[in-house]
Amino acid sequence: DADVTQTPRNRITKTGKRIMLECSQTKGHDRMYWYRQDPGLGLRLIYYSFDVKDINKGEISDGYSVSRQAQAKFSLSLESAIPNQTALYFCATSDSTVSYGYTFGSGTRLTVV
Amino acid sequence: ILNVEQSPQSLHVQEGDSTNFTCSFPSSNFYALHWYRWETAKSPEALFVMTLNGDEKKKGRISATLNTKEGYSYLYIKGSQPEDSATYLCATRGGSYIPTFGRGTSLIVHP
Repeated sequence: DADVTQTPRNRITKTGKRIMLECSQTKGHDRMYWYRQDPGLGLRLIYYSFDVKDINKGEISDGYSVSRQAQAKFSLSLESAIPNQTALYFCATSDSTVSYGYTFGSGTRLTVV
Repeated sequence: ILNVEQSPQSLHVQEGDSTNFTCSFPSSNFYALHWYRWETAKSPEALFVMTLNGDEKKKGRISATLNTKEGYSYLYIKGSQPEDSATYLCATRGGSYIPTFGRGTSLIVHP
């Protein structure tokens, strides 16, 4: 099994729909992150959490919300999806020192039509 | 937010060529630099995490150097192979522990 699992892998949804992307990890890491990747742009941080009670906005949090249900689970929600949220979404984890970098999930390709 | 620049944006080389690319970043408030390898349809995988000025890291045919005073890191690939084809991402961290990623260098190695 993968260390960081994202579901679904691919999703097509309609404008205005609510959608949740899920992430779970078996690394035992406290820190979890959600990034989005758009063609020609780098990975941009949406939200991050340093532990279950800690949630922080990243660079591009507008239109998104998150929930840290447990140390191992971190979900990203789009309350009312819009076409410019079409992107590749990555969940990542790290330990508190980030000495070994991030461990990424396989990504969720989301298309909003 | 640290501004991280990677160059070139893309690179085509022949099998057996050695190649290198650059990650530039503000030298102030530097804490660590990460290099990731990202193959198509897969997730980014960490190659190196570097913190000290003058650091050099090596993994097989891939190596990296770090100059924190002038704000750059080089990634070298010796004797490129087709399986080295990937996007190479650089990310730097300041004191916030949150990395900022560059846009990556796309490497294509032709047989």
